[in-house]
Amino acid sequence: EVQLLESGGGLVQPGGSLRLSCAASGFTFSNYAMSWVRQAPGKGLEWVSDISGSGGSTHYIDSVKGRFTISRDNSKNTLYLQLNSLRVEDTAVYYCVGGQLYWGQGTLVTVSS
Amino acid sequence: AIQLTQSPSSLSASVGDRVTITCRASQGISSALAWYQQKPGKAPKLLIYDASTLESGVPSRFSGSGSGTDFTLTISSLQPEDFATYYCQQFNNYLITFGQGTRLEIK
Repeated sequence: EVQLLESGGGLVQPGGSLRLSCAASGFTFSNYAMSWVRQAPGKGLEWVSDISGSGGSTHYIDSVKGRFTISRDNSKNTLYLQLNSLRVEDTAVYYCVGGQLYWGQGTLVTVSS
Repeated sequence: AIQLTQSPSSLSASVGDRVTITCRASQGISSALAWYQQKPGKAPKLLIYDASTLESGVPSRFSGSGSGTDFTLTISSLQPEDFATYYCQQFNNYLITFGQGTRLEIK
């Protein structure tokens, strides 16, 4: 059974940092490009970043460039998202996504003073 | 970035109805389009990829069509479990985008 388990969300003040993790199981992790997709409360889906299976290629939405960093450890079947210089508008549920098919349950990031 | 515009934004329909949702891309994306279903408090579920390929396990009442800039998702006979929000997603280039969503409600 495929599982993607996100962790690391929480409440943080504007300007703060968080590191999200996503532990994958049930599929060959290194064969899949992985993404982070977020959803602000009551809003639609927004792709944030993705990384190739090898980790050699990454992409970001403009609003997070220079603040967020995606990475992966294929030896640990784990995807990461480092969130720095957080803004109120980054408040959302962050989903870890494998290819297009596999989605985690999401972890909530709340940026508020 | 390529923009996707879904219509309608919301839709009321009855069980057994045939429903069509449209997704229009701001530039051509070939067939690099997927459709997702999301229920409240849940992660999205992939329904269709490559514009018209039904994901394994998805009921055959769901179908997708289109290429270039205009795409449709059709549900041939609505079932109670189909009331949800639907999103299109393009993956033609490395900047992936979603449509704004279509909320399908019970009439």
